[in-house]
Amino acid sequence: DAKTTQPPSMDCAEGRAANLPCNHSTISGNEYVYWYRQIHSQGPQYIIHGLKNNETNEMASLIITEDRKSSTLILPHATLRDTAVYYCIVRVAGSGSARQLTFGSGTQLTVLP
Amino acid sequence: GAVVSQHPSRVICKSGTSVKIECRSLDFQATTMFWYRQFPKKSLMLMATSNEGSKATYEQGVEKDKFLINHASLTLSTLTVTSAHPEDSSFYICSARAGRNYGYTFGSGTRLTVV
Repeated sequence: DAKTTQPPSMDCAEGRAANLPCNHSTISGNEYVYWYRQIHSQGPQYIIHGLKNNETNEMASLIITEDRKSSTLILPHATLRDTAVYYCIVRVAGSGSARQLTFGSGTQLTVLP
Repeated sequence: GAVVSQHPSRVICKSGTSVKIECRSLDFQATTMFWYRQFPKKSLMLMATSNEGSKATYEQGVEKDKFLINHASLTLSTLTVTSAHPEDSSFYICSARAGRNYGYTFGSGTRLTVV
């Protein structure tokens, strides 16, 4: 699985959009980009994933650059409850359930009142 | 959606005793479950992959005799920390996947404190 690079921390004002970047310059064509977040002392929570097209769900939007070497997770209207560590993970598409997720150091997002 | 239940959420035990942590997939069957360990302000580190009906696969540096894993059914995996020491104090998290079209679901974690 390709390595990812994320800033260690970011702040965002409550109600504003939070844009979390992720660099995955060594990504290969069959690797998806996954985003998870972990609120303090809880298990990680799935947010969104994508291959090459932009994706949106009820939680967030995922913007993947055309060359797929980087992506941005967007929380459109951040709330205090979005304060968490956000992990960007790259993983081979179509892999069986037997392969684990490998976590990097993530980005600590702090939403400020 | 896929739900993974982990129990207990926190436990305190004395040095030398053993502690069992349970991980259940509530609405799906999981032939494979994963056990992670997380130290304060650190990321999740995979400890082992639990396989239903067969032996677990441990990551390098993880003592299989200390961290016993049993995956006796398609919905339950257990992690037993044997002869616990204070350095085993950590946050333990399990994970499973309902299928290749699903994301990975994580338990809520178990905070183990060995005194």
